[in-house]
Order: sequence, then structure tokens, then C-alpha cells
Amino acid sequence: NAGVMQNPRHLVRRRGQEARLRCSPMKGHSHVYWYRQLPEEGLKFMVYLQKENIIDESGMPKERFSAEFPKEGPSILRIQQVVRGDSAAYFCASSPGYGYTFGSGTRLTVV
Amino acid sequence: GESVGLHLPTLSVQEGDNSIINCAYSNSASDYFIWYKQESGKGPQFIIDIRSNMDKRQGQRVTVLLNKTVKHLSLQIAATQPGDSAVYFCAENTGNQFYFGTGTSLTVIP
Repeated sequence: NAGVMQNPRHLVRRRGQEARLRCSPMKGHSHVYWYRQLPEEGLKFMVYLQKENIIDESGMPKERFSAEFPKEGPSILRIQQVVRGDSAAYFCASSPGYGYTFGSGTRLTVV
Repeated sequence: GESVGLHLPTLSVQEGDNSIINCAYSNSASDYFIWYKQESGKGPQFIIDIRSNMDKRQGQRVTVLLNKTVKHLSLQIAATQPGDSAVYFCAENTGNQFYFGTGTSLTVIP
């Protein structure tokens, strides 16, 4: 079992570009969660998805951010028109329905 | 809204000593708690969990204590080792998500 796979590990984008972060959950896990972590801070919930459905997006900014978890393929967190304040580590976690297993994260740097 | 806070942002202990990391939570409806360890550049790693119908749970070298009366959670690490140096987060589960504290940075002095 390869665990939760996130890619890329590091992503650099210029202001105004789009960032796409991918998360492949553990085999058999149908629940995916995205969290954001700023330096020296805890993780902040963004969105919870099950296959093809967004269950809870209460932590997601209303503009520029979107997430999907298609029937086939990884979950995608998409950030349009990135700004410097989007620079952070983005972690994905998957679950079979209880507890979490986290991926190693994608570190987004906006220059 | 819910908040999870840690009493001490940093903790230094001598190798071989026991470590205690504390956490306060505010939502009395939270029914499940997890302690995570995060090493530099890595994702959070599950250490131990506890449900609200328990007040103590033991793992290998770690013990979690839950005091629902004062909404307090602690993580005890026995015989702390250099490999235990990391940031430790407690997380409370409410509804669809976990709420994380800001973390305590544990440094083990050889």
C-alpha cells in the first residue's frame, strides 16, 4: 500500500497563474480531505470530498479555489490566479470513513 | 467556532526523560481526538487516538489522557528519544472535519 500520494511535492507559480495539486488516496479510501498549513501554524480544513461529491467546503475560500474527486483518478485542488498569500503547504488526507492518513503535502510557493 | 490550543509552543527535554504535551479544546461535543506528529518537511503522522468514552489510552511509549470535565488532552511520551523531536498536534473531530491546534515543538536534547 503506497499510502496517500501527493504531487508535485514542490510547486512554484508566478502571481496570476493556476496551481493544480493532486492527491491519490490510499487504496479503498473513498473520503478525501484537503488542509492548508501556513508556516509555524496548524492545519486548517479546506474541503471534504467523497467520490464525485463535495461534502463540506466550508473551509475553502469562495473565490479562485475549487476541488474535485472524480470517479476515476486523483482528487484535484485547483487554485486560479494565485497570489502570494496562497503560498503554503497543502496536505491531503484520505479515510475509509474514520481516522485520517495524510500525504506528504505539496508546498506551493507563489513568486 | 471550535478552537484547539496548546499551552506551550515549545518543549525541550533530555533524552530518556518523559515528555508531556498538553492541549485544550473548546467544543464539548467533540467525540474523537487524535495526536499527530509532524517532522520537518513531512505530513502529519498518526500517533494515537482516543474516543470521548475513554479517559486514557496507551500505545507504545505513548499515553493519551482525556479530561472531558476541563476539556483537556495530554500526550505523554515515555523515555523520549532524539527521533521524537517534531511538532505535535492534537486534533478534535467535530462533524466532517478535524480541528487542529497550532502545535508544540518538541526538542530532545541528547
